[in-house]
Amino acid sequence: AQKVTQAQTEISVVEKEDVTLDCVYETRDTTYYLFWYKQPPSGELVFLIRRNSFDEQNEISGRYSWNFQKSTSSFNFTITASQVVDSAVYFCALSEAVDTDKLIFGTGTRLQVFP
Amino acid sequence: EPEVTQTPSHQVTQMGQEVILRCVPISNHLYFYWYRQILGQKVEFLVSFYNNEISEKSEIFDDQFSVERPDGSNFTLKIRSTKLEDSAMYFCASRQSFNYGYTFGSGTRLTVV
Repeated sequence: AQKVTQAQTEISVVEKEDVTLDCVYETRDTTYYLFWYKQPPSGELVFLIRRNSFDEQNEISGRYSWNFQKSTSSFNFTITASQVVDSAVYFCALSEAVDTDKLIFGTGTRLQVFP
Repeated sequence: EPEVTQTPSHQVTQMGQEVILRCVPISNHLYFYWYRQILGQKVEFLVSFYNNEISEKSEIFDDQFSVERPDGSNFTLKIRSTKLEDSAMYFCASRQSFNYGYTFGSGTRLTVV
């Protein structure tokens, strides 16, 4: 069965610290997609990244980076030099490519960045 | 950048009333979805819709729920007789094809009193 686990419920850091949000997934499929979404206090879901199961290259976008490791079924997200505006709930999600295309979300990690 | 538009942003309704949540997906998108997020909890899949029919639905999507694409641009979620536990944020999403990512609307917060 598909499942996404975000074991960290809440993380608090001080501005400029680096922070890593963990995501572990379970799936039977060999083809799947992994996502990260940001949900700021205003409530919308902001797309951050989509990665397919055949692309294990790490990705960097500004202060954001993602580490995908199939061997450990993990897709972790690191924010470098965190800022107050990074405060939000971050969701990791999984979509299988065969039979179903629904997104399975993790329970989210609330990140609070203090000045 | 194209957006998925949801209206209203907030709706308050009495228990037992019918509500219709509206969404305008991105115009060239073919796959449409509704998700729900009860306050403080994770986002849950409700239903997917393609080629004018439901392609998949979750256990949450019971007979009280229905979806429709009445005019080729709107995509609606109807709850026939709302319950207190239907209070949640409802997100509409769309995508062009399986090879593309999902675009979410900004959500409708439904409060059932």
